[in-house]
Amino acid sequence: SQQGEEDPQALSIQEGENATMNCSYKTSINNLQWYRQNSGRGLVHLILIRSNEREKHSGRLRVTLDTSKKSSSLLITASRAADTASYFCATDARAAGNKLTFGGGTRVLVKP
Amino acid sequence: NAGVTQTPKFQVLKTGQSMTLQCAQDMNHNSMYWYRQDPGMGLRLIYYSASEGTTDKGEVPNGYNVSRLNKREFSLRLESAAPSQTSVYFCASSEPPWGGGGQPQHFGDGTRLSIL
Repeated sequence: SQQGEEDPQALSIQEGENATMNCSYKTSINNLQWYRQNSGRGLVHLILIRSNEREKHSGRLRVTLDTSKKSSSLLITASRAADTASYFCATDARAAGNKLTFGGGTRVLVKP
Repeated sequence: NAGVTQTPKFQVLKTGQSMTLQCAQDMNHNSMYWYRQDPGMGLRLIYYSASEGTTDKGEVPNGYNVSRLNKREFSLRLESAAPSQTSVYFCASSEPPWGGGGQPQHFGDGTRLSIL
């Protein structure tokens, strides 16, 4: 079963616009991670946010975590064609033995 | 520094055949994982190895076996392939979770497996 569910499932934007995607999860977590997957490739780790953190930045990425709503958001600012990929959230929770549980992903298309 | 290397990249099998997917990492990580990814879905954990000499079942272990050959290598075996095992298989490695957990995982580029 999937712990996280991303919303929207797909997103199409113009280069230069911001892209926002959300992840909701069901049980209490220790940490939440975001990964990117380019077509035909493996996942690449983007950012990790711990359950006691509310916001984290890395370059053009901004992640927020609201543990009361069991949700997280990933914002990509000033998007580029190279940001075209699928984005996945993954949680680890004591209930799951600290193993990662992935959501179904958001497919992002950035049009030049 | 290749990271996580998976072989083969593609494979077609007939129902009932067996095969082993190979994975090796050169980052000296203690933990290794096998996932499967089906169309439009996230990854589901098949088996993992928290450290050399240990393996444990994940969410979808039925029909699979694993071997942690040494610290670098973690193989996944399908003893009698079934069409339901058609998928993309990913191997990953990480340092083991510590304290509050949350170590990033490093992924290979996958093995695309079709079972006819």
